[in-house]
Amino acid sequence: DAGVIQSPRHEVTEMGQEVTLRCKPISGHNSLFWYRQTMMRGLELLIYFNNNVPIDDSGMPEDRFSAKMPNASFSTLKIQPSEPRDSAVYFCASSLLRVRGGEQYFGPGTRLTVT
Amino acid sequence: QQPVQSPQAVILREGEDAVINCSSSKALYSVHWYRQKHGEAPVFLMILLKGGEQKGHEKISASFNEKKQQSSLYLTASQLSYSGTYFCGTEAEAGNQFYFGTGTSLTVIP
Repeated sequence: DAGVIQSPRHEVTEMGQEVTLRCKPISGHNSLFWYRQTMMRGLELLIYFNNNVPIDDSGMPEDRFSAKMPNASFSTLKIQPSEPRDSAVYFCASSLLRVRGGEQYFGPGTRLTVT
Repeated sequence: QQPVQSPQAVILREGEDAVINCSSSKALYSVHWYRQKHGEAPVFLMILLKGGEQKGHEKISASFNEKKQQSSLYLTASQLSYSGTYFCGTEAEAGNQFYFGTGTSLTVIP
């Protein structure tokens, strides 16, 4: 199995630009999670989907962030406009089950730098 | 709502044991444990569901005290490969949120 795939692996952009991060979950998994990791705030759950439906987006920091999952094999996290404080590593993870009791498999992450 | 882990950091010599604690202010349904090596993604270790069960994974085991909303990860006879940052993740009994803990940096030296 290829595991969770994320692209791009690194992204450098200027403040104000739109950023789109992509994720392909493990085939057959029905839950997908977006996390952000920084030294200051640690690992934060931004949003998670179950069967392509957003279940909890209370971790999304503000309206500049949006996430979609148009089908079971693809999800995007968009930041528009980006700001320097958005610089972080963004992980996508998938699971066979909902958050409750389901082990999560993480992708390699996207390192975002906003200058 | 983020669970608190202790200690924040620990340094061990090969063969020594360590305990990492995770404490939540919420009644918990489950506790997850993950390990993250520098520059890599977190990797799942184990899940414990409410009921106080203990689980093992080679020389790494964990317990879950649902009454105290606490979990502990036990690493015995540590190996160099155990180095990394360990995170607990908690699911509350009520609601859908999942929170990772503050993390514990573990370094095993020869």
